[in-house]
Amino acid sequence: AQTVTQSQPEMSVQEAETVTLSCTYDTSESNYYLFWYKQPPSRQMILVIRQEAYKQQNATENRFSVNFQKAAKSFSLKISDSQLGDTAMYFCAFMKPGEGNDMRFGAGTRLTVKP
Amino acid sequence: DSGVTQTPKHLITATGQRVTLRCSPRSGDLSVYWYQQSLDQGLQFLIQYYNGEERAKGNILERFSAQQFPDLHSELNLSSLELGDSALYFCASSGGAGAVGNQPQHFGDGTRLSIL
Repeated sequence: AQTVTQSQPEMSVQEAETVTLSCTYDTSESNYYLFWYKQPPSRQMILVIRQEAYKQQNATENRFSVNFQKAAKSFSLKISDSQLGDTAMYFCAFMKPGEGNDMRFGAGTRLTVKP
Repeated sequence: DSGVTQTPKHLITATGQRVTLRCSPRSGDLSVYWYQQSLDQGLQFLIQYYNGEERAKGNILERFSAQQFPDLHSELNLSSLELGDSALYFCASSGGAGAVGNQPQHFGDGTRLSIL
């Protein structure tokens, strides 16, 4: 079974600085998909970024980028130029390929951006 | 707006009761997923339907059941409710026609269930 581990329950960062959230996973699959979701105080689940395991290039979405290390089974999220609106819970998620597979989520990291 | 609609937004009921949560997926999405998020915890996968058929099952209690209808909306039924069932229940959808299985899931705003 796939497991996803987020070892940092809480983190904080000063506005405009950079922060990295860690995620590791365990799988025997060679192809899979990884995601970061953001859950602000409104409790909505918002997709931040996705990575396909067969792609070596790290995904980037504006201020958000990932460091995907397949051999180490590591998938960290870097947030650059942190903004107050980035304050949220961040969940790392793993999904096997194939139509209709569920995602396995980590326990989350609560990020606070301080002014 | 994710395009996934969940109703109701809030539900308050008593122990032993039965409730139904409803989800309308994004237009064109064939897969619907249900998740439970207890207070300050991660999301636990409950069950997934694809085009009307059950496709995957997670940690779903026997007191809980779900179905997906021909119009692709889904309902999650929770019965014999207990205090510990109080949680935020999310529905997500993915997989429009022609998708190859790598589509991210888009979440509704959730239904907050409170058991008194």
